[in-house]
Amino acid sequence: GENVEQHPSTLSVQEGDSAVIKCTYSDSASNYFPWYKQELGKGPQLIIDIRSNVGEKKDQRIAVTLNKTAKHFSLHITETQPEDSAVYFCAASTGTGGFKTIFGAGTRLFVKA
Amino acid sequence: DVKVTQSSRYLVKRTGEKVFLECVQDMDHENMFWYRQDPGLGLRLIYFSYDVKMKEKGDIPEGYSVSREKKERFSLILESASTNQTSMYLCASSFGGAGNTIYFGEGSWLTVV
Repeated sequence: GENVEQHPSTLSVQEGDSAVIKCTYSDSASNYFPWYKQELGKGPQLIIDIRSNVGEKKDQRIAVTLNKTAKHFSLHITETQPEDSAVYFCAASTGTGGFKTIFGAGTRLFVKA
Repeated sequence: DVKVTQSSRYLVKRTGEKVFLECVQDMDHENMFWYRQDPGLGLRLIYFSYDVKMKEKGDIPEGYSVSREKKERFSLILESASTNQTSMYLCASSFGGAGNTIYFGEGSWLTVV
């Protein structure tokens, strides 16, 4: 069946460095790719998303890139801060209403001060 | 802001008990979801509903049922709780239509002893 692979599962960076999380998806019909941040004890919150007609999107320190040919998409966080420490999930969605949204297994990001 | 409220944050139940997890959203979303989150497995869809009284099985429906009597409310029911249902449960909602963002609640931590 369809799946989304996410790497790495754990990432530790020094404050101020960049962090990159990569995902690959299997369903070529996927057309919407959201990223979620989950802080300890809370539910996941959308931080950025990209649609299949766009190759890159940026919002302040975070950016997402999409390569539809290779079925890869990545999250880039620059100038990391301790408050960026969290679990990050990528997802790939097809169809309507997010019914077929498949989530990656998550990346636990640690930003060391 | 979209608000998805899960009424119980932490529950401890005994094996064989019937468990109700309640969820309410305030954005008039058509779609509502129940996910289960376990370490290393990401978010797995249990059930979703795209309209009142409508429900569809997700990837792991066994041992669960749902109820949606009103548009804003979606309940997850464990008919006879078992220890392997100890987990974090996340309710979510979204508008209908293609590629719409899924909004999550804060989660309900269920321990079955």
